[in-house]
Amino acid sequence: QSALTQPASVSGSPGQSITISCTGTTSDVGGYDYVSWHRQHPGKAPKVMIYDVSNRPSGVSYRFSGSKSGSTASLTISGLQVEDEADYYCSSYTSTRILVFGTGTKVTVL
Amino acid sequence: EVQLEESGGAVVQPGGSLRLSCAASGFAFHDDTMHWVRQVPGKGLEWVSLIDWDGGTTHYVDSVKGRFTISRDNSKNSLYLQMNSLRTEDTALYYCAKGRLTWVQSWGQGTMVTVLS
Repeated sequence: QSALTQPASVSGSPGQSITISCTGTTSDVGGYDYVSWHRQHPGKAPKVMIYDVSNRPSGVSYRFSGSKSGSTASLTISGLQVEDEADYYCSSYTSTRILVFGTGTKVTVL
Repeated sequence: EVQLEESGGAVVQPGGSLRLSCAASGFAFHDDTMHWVRQVPGKGLEWVSLIDWDGGTTHYVDSVKGRFTISRDNSKNSLYLQMNSLRTEDTALYYCAKGRLTWVQSWGQGTMVTVLS
């Protein structure tokens, strides 16, 4: 099972919106509505921001939203803030009943 | 508050064995699917294994099949990962996590495994 493909880096200025893509295949992202997104600050454990493509866990800011089209999922962060600077990973359930993570995207707030 | 505390990480030689443990609290452990996810320092996340609520279903990433065994003891709110025939490429920070069969919901802080000859 190959890692899902994410851009290595995305940047934006405070207040702007950015979108991170996560591309898989019909055996993972395209086949199931089970994409999640995780944020990881340096030296810290990851934290889930979105699950089941577009659902926000309790306590996660409304500025985070998720969507999917075909085999590509997307995470949009609106009203970018300094604290959003981190690594972001997508994850998907797969046809072999395992999970797979994306390659990771470093978000920089300019 | 969900708490997941991993332990058991160490430095071990190639071919050696190690057993990781994860003590869970703050939630109904017996209801949740549990996962192990690893991360080479400075690199990305790699999902390793999952076990469903009663241990009846387990899955592994291909690279650890036949070498790693996931298990749980619901009476002790504990998750385990028995790691045999360790390789240098198994060196990573190992996270214990709770969730569902389809996603990871909460993460521990991790325990470091170093396989070094």
